[in-house]
Amino acid sequence: DTEVTQTPKHLVMGMTNKKSLKCEQHMGHRAMYWYKQKAKKPPELMFVYSYEKLSINESVPSRFSPECPNSSLLNLHLHALQPEDSALYLCASSQAGYAGTQYFGPGTRLLVL
Amino acid sequence: LAKTTQPISMDSYEGQEVNITCSHNNIATNDYITWYQQFPSQGPRFIIQGYKTKVTNEVASLFIPADRKSSTLSLPRVSLSDTAVYYCLVGDDRGSTLGRLYFGRGTQLTVWP
Repeated sequence: DTEVTQTPKHLVMGMTNKKSLKCEQHMGHRAMYWYKQKAKKPPELMFVYSYEKLSINESVPSRFSPECPNSSLLNLHLHALQPEDSALYLCASSQAGYAGTQYFGPGTRLLVL
Repeated sequence: LAKTTQPISMDSYEGQEVNITCSHNNIATNDYITWYQQFPSQGPRFIIQGYKTKVTNEVASLFIPADRKSSTLSLPRVSLSDTAVYYCLVGDDRGSTLGRLYFGRGTQLTVWP
């Protein structure tokens, strides 16, 4: 199984809402990633988890809060987002120490109103 | 971090070989070169990775000269379904748990019938 799944596929939320994005993989990977991608732009790294510990936070605003409950799951909690946060949010995983070979999920298309 | 430079767009016809070159003048000794493919509204998909010389898999070939300051992704006999954005990434990989990879602007390849 080389699949990374993400839920929901689409999400519309108001600026006062709290929502969560979920990511799951069953490849035994111990590194997991969140990326943000705006239209016609490359993915931008947000967070990296290695062995369930946050190892990289690319100066992401605190309205984005990642969580790694176990080695298979990665969540991104959203609170008080702004319209400019509307984007495709991608989750990826890899073997720890093999960052170049990442497996990406299909993404969650987020619209903030 | 090594910055990458790729052509913004390329056009080809079905059945032709396509070569996309990426420049990475500041590549570090520990860096690997990785290429990804991305279709609209999907997550990027790993294509190929290399460190030096030539790497070939069932999808593509990657040519890396001795100085490693550039690399060329070669797609043999492209089809319409190869129309996508192709990203060249350079980053530390084996032996690193940081997973710090950055996507450049990418090359939009359009294959015409």
